Amino acid sequence: GENVEQHPSTLSVQEGDSAVIKCTYSDSASNYFPWYKQELGKRPQLIIDIRSNVGEKKDQRIAVTLNKTAKHFSLHITETQPEDSAVYFCAAENTGNQFYFGTGTSLTVIP
Amino acid sequence: KAGVTQTPRYLIKTRGQQVTLSCSPISGHRSVSWYQQTPGQGLQFLFEYFSETQRNKGNFPGRFSGRQFSNSRSEMNVSTLELGDSALYLCASSRDPSRQGNSGNTIYFGEGSWLTVV
Repeated sequence: GENVEQHPSTLSVQEGDSAVIKCTYSDSASNYFPWYKQELGKRPQLIIDIRSNVGEKKDQRIAVTLNKTAKHFSLHITETQPEDSAVYFCAAENTGNQFYFGTGTSLTVIP
Repeated sequence: KAGVTQTPRYLIKTRGQQVTLSCSPISGHRSVSWYQQTPGQGLQFLFEYFSETQRNKGNFPGRFSGRQFSNSRSEMNVSTLELGDSALYLCASSRDPSRQGNSGNTIYFGEGSWLTVV
């Protein structure tokens, strides 16, 4: 089955700096990669996603890149703000429509 | 449009008891999946239901079971509760996983049910 690894597990950045979270996956047939943000005590919410036929996608301060050959994808947050503090999860969907999640990255943005 | 609704939000059970959690998906969504979230293990997939049939199953013991009704609402049951079952149980729904092999089937999570086993 698919195995998704996520790094780092914790990340602290100064407000205004950039944050990068990286994930690798094992199943080359996986073809959809969403990112979720989970604030304390709340549900995971989709913030951005990318399909396997795209190498990069950007939405304001958030961007995701995908390298299919290397089987890794990354989340980039620029100009971080305190409200970006949360746990971020990457996921990979295989051809069986099953999602596999990374173990999460706890991001802290220091004002 | 109402989101994914889970009940109850919080519950405390004793070891050996059983528990049933309920999930109402977003209107029009036919797939419901369940996840267990713990601090050390992240989001672990339990199972997925579509059209009242279990389509995918994670690596959890048989004490964990679920079902889906004709209106797409789903329940999961855990029997003979153990202390290690204490977790946040998240339900997620999606529109159309029947597009087998077609990706991009975005899933939306409910707020979860916090289960504490004492």
